[in-house]
Amino acid sequence: NAGVTQTPKFQVLKTGQSMTLQCAQDMNHEYMSWYRQDPGMGLRLIHYSVGAGITDQGEVPNGYNVSRSTTEDFPLRLLSAAPSQTSVYFCASSYVSAANYGYTFGSGTRLTVV
Amino acid sequence: DQQVKQNSPSLSVQEGRISILNCDYTNSMFDYFLWYKKYPAEGPTFLISISSIKDKNEDGRFTVFLNKSAKHLSLHIVPSQPGDSAVYFCAAGSEKLTFGTGTRLTIIP
Repeated sequence: NAGVTQTPKFQVLKTGQSMTLQCAQDMNHEYMSWYRQDPGMGLRLIHYSVGAGITDQGEVPNGYNVSRSTTEDFPLRLLSAAPSQTSVYFCASSYVSAANYGYTFGSGTRLTVV
Repeated sequence: DQQVKQNSPSLSVQEGRISILNCDYTNSMFDYFLWYKKYPAEGPTFLISISSIKDKNEDGRFTVFLNKSAKHLSLHIVPSQPGDSAVYFCAAGSEKLTFGTGTRLTIIP
């Protein structure tokens, strides 16, 4: 049981390049989300999904696109990278029930835009 | 507008003593409250959660207290151990979470 898998772990991009951060979960969780963490700040929500085919914006969505074609995968796309997008990105999957709550993070992708 | 706040950026506690980390929130509609621990170069690790319908939840050395009238959440770690040294984040929400900015806990041997 791998949990939440993020690839790549590290990436350097040039300004204006595009790339996709991959996220996959094998826990059959309904909810998935992307966060970024910057020095001195908490994790900030970029985009989230409450199920396949459904996505919504979080706190800092500009410059990022997402899609959710399957329950397992939730890729994050940077269309034209900017230095302000240098950050550590975390993907998470979660479930909510009347009796319980589970939220699992991946190990992160460290992105540098030069 | 920061909905979840951790006003202490750092805390140092002697090994064996109690560590108390605090968190304040503004949105009374939050369903769940959680604490995460994070080591450098790793993803956040879930510690303990509490539903908005409860006021206390225990798991081993970790206890979370929720005071809804004060919109205040706290995490107690007893006894504190050197391996507890990390950054602790509180979070609130349901299918999406809002995080505080974190408190760096240092346990002094």
